[in-house]
Amino acid sequence: EIVLTQSPDTLSLSPGERATLSCRASQSLASSYLAWYQQKPGQAPRLLIYGASSRATGIPDRFSGSGSGTDFTLTISRLEPEDFAVYYCQQYGSSFGQGTKVDIK
Amino acid sequence: QVQLVESGGGVVQPGRSLRLSCAASGFTFSSYAMNWVRQAPGKGLEWVAVISDDGSNKYYADSVKGRFTISRDNSKNTLHLQMNSLRTEDTAVYYCAGSSSIAAAALLWGQGTMVTVSS
Repeated sequence: EIVLTQSPDTLSLSPGERATLSCRASQSLASSYLAWYQQKPGQAPRLLIYGASSRATGIPDRFSGSGSGTDFTLTISRLEPEDFAVYYCQQYGSSFGQGTKVDIK
Repeated sequence: QVQLVESGGGVVQPGRSLRLSCAASGFTFSSYAMNWVRQAPGKGLEWVAVISDDGSNKYYADSVKGRFTISRDNSKNTLHLQMNSLRTEDTAVYYCAGSSSIAAAALLWGQGTMVTVSS
């Protein structure tokens, strides 16, 4: 079973700053079968990124994904107030990372 | 519009069974693989199970294998999760989620149903 480890656990930033979230897999992921989700309190997760780097429909271009193999990154170029949330990476149809909380500094 | 509505949650004693359902509308249900994902109170997301669009392939997390069964009825646009031998650690919000295939990101999500396993 592939284990996904996200870092950091919490990222404290101010609106307008850049956020860089990491997701590391214990084994190489075939064909970049990696997705990123955003979850706000009391809400279901929302798909942001699929295929490691493709934005889902309606996702603003301040969100970008990169990486391959075992190391993946989600970048939010300039944090908006609505971006403060928990972010999860996932291997398709399988395990999630433990999440990174992006909170307001 | 696209909707996934979970039902069937509640409070159940350890060792008992519960069946969750997810009613789909607004999209071609039979063209989507479907997942169950759960979230224990205050914890992260845990993938539980996935079923292919035609129901022929099913995969489970080790934590539920042999106890939970995922199924679907494409004629009724409904997904099910039969949960047997429930444990306190199965307490969570259960979400159904749709993806274009078994090996694809979950694009469509319901709002979840709460399952509490407690004596």
